[in-house]
Amino acid sequence: EVHLLESGGDLVQPGGSLRLSCAGSGFTFSNYGMSWVRQAPGKGLEWVSGISGSDGSTYYADSVKGRFTISGDGSKNTVTLYLQMNRLRAEDTAVYYCAKPLMGSISDAFDYWGQGTLVTVSS
Amino acid sequence: DIQMTQSPSTLSASVGDRVTITCRASQSISRWLAWYQQKPGKAPKLLIHQASNLQSGVPSRFSGSGSGTEFILTISSLQPDDFATYYCQQYDGYSGTFGQGTKVEIK
Repeated sequence: EVHLLESGGDLVQPGGSLRLSCAGSGFTFSNYGMSWVRQAPGKGLEWVSGISGSDGSTYYADSVKGRFTISGDGSKNTVTLYLQMNRLRAEDTAVYYCAKPLMGSISDAFDYWGQGTLVTVSS
Repeated sequence: DIQMTQSPSTLSASVGDRVTITCRASQSISRWLAWYQQKPGKAPKLLIHQASNLQSGVPSRFSGSGSGTEFILTISSLQPDDFATYYCQQYDGYSGTFGQGTKVEIK
């Protein structure tokens, strides 16, 4: 059974930094990779970043490129995913979900999601 | 970037109704489209992938169709548990764009 659990969300001032974590189990990171998806309050879903499990390649939405860094690793059946967020802006305020790709491609649907962690950027 | 447009934004329906939601892509995405259901305060749940493949455990009243730029999610007989917001997502490119969502409300 796959489980994902995010942590690290907090209230932070504009320009500040935060690191989110996602602890996963039930699958092998190298076979799937992972992504972060966010949802601003009352808004829709936005893909933020993804990492390939096979070669560690990373991908970012234009809105976070140069400010956010995704990283991740895992041994058999456990996964740890991070999102380092720097130079945070008010528009980064959202619930951040980690999500597992269905088939293991960097371009994929997501079959498992964490419960989300709230990041609030405000002075 | 590929843009995804859903219609309608809100849909009022009754239990037992047949419901259809449309998702249009700004360019062809073949069949690289997924549908999700999201309830308030919860993570999205994958319903359909590759346009028409029902995800394991999802009731058969949900179905998807389409290819290229136009896709449809159909709920054949709306149940009380189906009142939620539905999102489409293209995954033809690595930045998987979502539609803006369709809220299905009780009529």
